[in-house]
Amino acid sequence: AQSVTQLGSHVSVSEGALVLLRCNYSSSVPPYLFWYVQYPNQGLQLLLKYTSAATLVKGINGFEAEFKKSETSFHLTKPSAHMSDAAEYFCAVKYPGGSNYKLTFGKGTLLTVNP
Amino acid sequence: SQTIHQWPATLVQPVGSPLSLECTVEGTSNPNLYWYRQAAGRGLQLLFYSVGIGQISSEVPQNLSASRPQDRQFILSSKKLLLSDSGFYLCAWSVGGGDIQYFGAGTRLSVL
Repeated sequence: AQSVTQLGSHVSVSEGALVLLRCNYSSSVPPYLFWYVQYPNQGLQLLLKYTSAATLVKGINGFEAEFKKSETSFHLTKPSAHMSDAAEYFCAVKYPGGSNYKLTFGKGTLLTVNP
Repeated sequence: SQTIHQWPATLVQPVGSPLSLECTVEGTSNPNLYWYRQAAGRGLQLLFYSVGIGQISSEVPQNLSASRPQDRQFILSSKKLLLSDSGFYLCAWSVGGGDIQYFGAGTRLSVL
C-alpha cells in the first residue's frame, strides 16, 4: 500500500541549530507532497507543498524542503531553529491516480527546541 | 477571506451518550469538507469527506456518522459514544482537486 513515513517521532534540537525532519514516500510515480505544522491544541497549518515544479520548495517561517526522487524523500529543513518552531510536524502525500480528495498523513514528528 | 469554525473546543461525554460536533466554513462556496481524528503518535486518520450537500464518503467503519445539511456545514455525530471515540477531531476544507486542506482548531473529545 502507498504510504508516507516520518522517521523519528521526536526530534530535539538546540536553539540556533539545524532542523532536519525526515519524510519518505512509497510510490513509483512522484506524488504531491506537503508539510504541515501543528501547534499545541490547534489545527494544522500548511508550511509548504511540492507539486512537480522546482524540487527545492521554500515555505513559511524559514522552512524549506527538497524533493529527491532517487531517495523517495521530502525532508524538511531550517538552518537555525527558533523557540517558536517547537510544534508537531506532519508530512502528507497525495498520490496521482488516487482520490482527488484524499491526503495521506504521516504519524508526525514532535520538534522540541532547547534554549 | 475564508475561515473555518469548529465547536466546541473541548467536550467531555459519558460512554453511551450522543455526540454532535459542528464545523462551518465561511468565505467560499461548494468546498470539499473533511473530518479527521488524531490520536497521539498515530497521525491523522480521515474519517469522512464530502464533495457536496448530502454527499458523504466514509473511510473507515466506526461508531460515527457525518452529515452535510448545508453547503458549508459539516456535522460529525454518534448515537452512543465509546471509550475508543476519545481523541482530537479536526475539520478541514479544500476547493477543487483538494491539493491544500485548511484545518479548523479542533475539538478535544474525552469519553469517560
